[in-house]
Amino acid sequence: QQQVKQSPQSLIVQKGGISIINCAYENTAFDYFPWYQQFPGKGPALLIAIRPDVSEKKEGRFTISFNKSAKQFSLHIMDSQPGDSATYFCAASKTSGTYKYIFGTGTRLKVLA
Amino acid sequence: GAVVSQHPSRVICKSGTSVKIECRSLDFQATTMFWYRQFPKQSLMLMATSNEGSKATYEQGVEKDKFLINHASLTLSTLTVTSAHPEDSSFYICSARDSRGPNYGYTFGSGTRLTVV
Repeated sequence: QQQVKQSPQSLIVQKGGISIINCAYENTAFDYFPWYQQFPGKGPALLIAIRPDVSEKKEGRFTISFNKSAKQFSLHIMDSQPGDSATYFCAASKTSGTYKYIFGTGTRLKVLA
Repeated sequence: GAVVSQHPSRVICKSGTSVKIECRSLDFQATTMFWYRQFPKQSLMLMATSNEGSKATYEQGVEKDKFLINHASLTLSTLTVTSAHPEDSSFYICSARDSRGPNYGYTFGSGTRLTVV
């Protein structure tokens, strides 16, 4: 019930292409779904997040699509650039109480120049 | 935006010694901070929840006597790895949230690479 499943484990995309990473959760009480970007040797940085009252959120080249009925959400990176090469983690949490993140297993993205 | 400073970024210590890692929220107060451990090419594993002015809450399987957490102020939490052994070598990361605003996202520190020799 607490798992967040993330796929793919790794992804190689050509420069200018679209990178798509998917996550699925089980606990319907989750109501906050962030994506984090992590470069080697650094802490994760918040990229974009969504709450279940909307089906899509876009910030620049990054878009989250959210499907509440399927309990799935995905990150789309448009016009992928070599600088986007990093590990991406999805997470899910509640927004009440001392909410803890449940992280996905991560996706290593490599964008070829 | 919210900034979390973590220090040191890298530390090498001898087996049997203790190491303290600091996590500071620079421009906001954090009643709750989290400590994570991350192994190479793996996800973040939550170790404990650090609560200002009270005892930390440890996740199952995490030795509280080995990983001492102190959250003495609203801007500082520390993690002390006691009697460190090579198997404690890992990347440790803290996170905190600015509870003043509507942002639910946690800000992470830059991490501490601990190597026990």
